[in-house]
Amino acid sequence: RKEVEQDPGPFNVPEGATVAFNCTYSNSASQSFFWYRQDCRKEPKLLMSVYSSGNEDGRFTAQLNRASQYISLLIRDSKLSDSATYLCAVNIEAAGNKLTFGGGTRVLVKP
Amino acid sequence: EAEVAQSPRYKITEKSQAVAFWCDPISGHATLYWYRQILGQGPELLVQFQDESVVDDSQLPKDRFSAERLKGVDSTLKIQPAELGDSAMYLCASSLSVGAQTQYFGPGTRLLVL
Repeated sequence: RKEVEQDPGPFNVPEGATVAFNCTYSNSASQSFFWYRQDCRKEPKLLMSVYSSGNEDGRFTAQLNRASQYISLLIRDSKLSDSATYLCAVNIEAAGNKLTFGGGTRVLVKP
Repeated sequence: EAEVAQSPRYKITEKSQAVAFWCDPISGHATLYWYRQILGQGPELLVQFQDESVVDDSQLPKDRFSAERLKGVDSTLKIQPAELGDSAMYLCASSLSVGAQTQYFGPGTRLLVL
């Protein structure tokens, strides 16, 4: 079983709709969680950190469920420019701040 | 805005040849990471440096891969000899320190081995 797993998608989303997807992690010692956005043939860019209480940044909301060991990302009012691959990353500080990435979820927003 | 620099951006080589990638982290960032990302997968850590010292190279195929960060600033990742399965994006990232959680990625080097 992979340490961090994501549904690869693609999630085909009408413009203006809401889309949500999860990322599960297997190591209960995981301490920090992140969502990265990666455009085709580009480097990952940090979208947001995920805090225990959940956090929101504009149209993006991230949640953490430690009991079930998953994080989620919700995108409201999807824009065409939201089309990208969304990578979740998990950090175990005792392991030297090593980030373990999921395989990514591809989101395609269509007019 | 400070960025992580990488070169070359693209590299095509034949199998059994040697290749080298260079990374210059954001100024002042003590921790440097090399990741490999195969198409359709997430990045996988190859090696992590704290200043000039290797912190984690457990996933680095040491029979053919080597990495160095001699002065604790820029870094070089080498593959010798390259194999077809090495075709991937090689990403460099940096963070302020081992304890800093935010990693900033460079644009990557896309390697194609023929």
